[in-house]
Amino acid sequence: DIQMTQSPSSLSASVGDRVTITCQASQDISNYLNWYQQKPGKAPKLLIYDASNLETGVPSRFSGSGSGTDFTFTISSLQPEDIATYYCQQYDNLPRFAFGPGTKVDIK
Amino acid sequence: QVQLQESGPGLVKPSQTLSLTCTVSGGSISSGSYYWSWIRQPAGKGLEWIGRIYTSGSTNYNPSLKSRVTISVDTSKNQFSLKLSSVTAADTAVYYCARSWIQLWGNFDYWGQGTLVTVSS
Repeated sequence: DIQMTQSPSSLSASVGDRVTITCQASQDISNYLNWYQQKPGKAPKLLIYDASNLETGVPSRFSGSGSGTDFTFTISSLQPEDIATYYCQQYDNLPRFAFGPGTKVDIK
Repeated sequence: QVQLQESGPGLVKPSQTLSLTCTVSGGSISSGSYYWSWIRQPAGKGLEWIGRIYTSGSTNYNPSLKSRVTISVDTSKNQFSLKLSSVTAADTAVYYCARSWIQLWGNFDYWGQGTLVTVSS
């Protein structure tokens, strides 16, 4: 099975800060990597699909990059409404779907 | 705007079968353009994909749960369902239903609000 790791597991940043989260796969997954935002008590929301594509309606301050085994998710200017846990999710053709352990983002 | 809504018992006894239904509104489940998945999340933990079904009835399951899972679809009711047998406390979680567009089948673009299922005697 492909294992996903995320770092950091949590972070605190100030409003307006640039926030970066990394996700690493245990083997090459090409660009089969998505990012979700989950607020407390809510379902996850798709933000980025296939590593770097912004889902319709998602603010442009969110972005993603990477391929192979190393991926990055960035919030260019953290807003109060961005407080949430962020998950990466990989998929393959079997199909298998696996989520990373999550990164909790807080306001400092 | 498509909406998904999970329903079913919130409490299941150990060794019994967990049964949940996802009702889809704002679109037809039989359009042939989507996969329909179940995903769960234990309290304070990460997300686990359980399995998915296509309109035709074709299914794919997480290998770790495959022996206990059945997902079915009822196009006449615009619903799909999950059955998880021989449950234990480890199956206590919020269960979500979700949709994947067939062209971008690797992601889940619409989710239900989730329903908490507790396994306890």
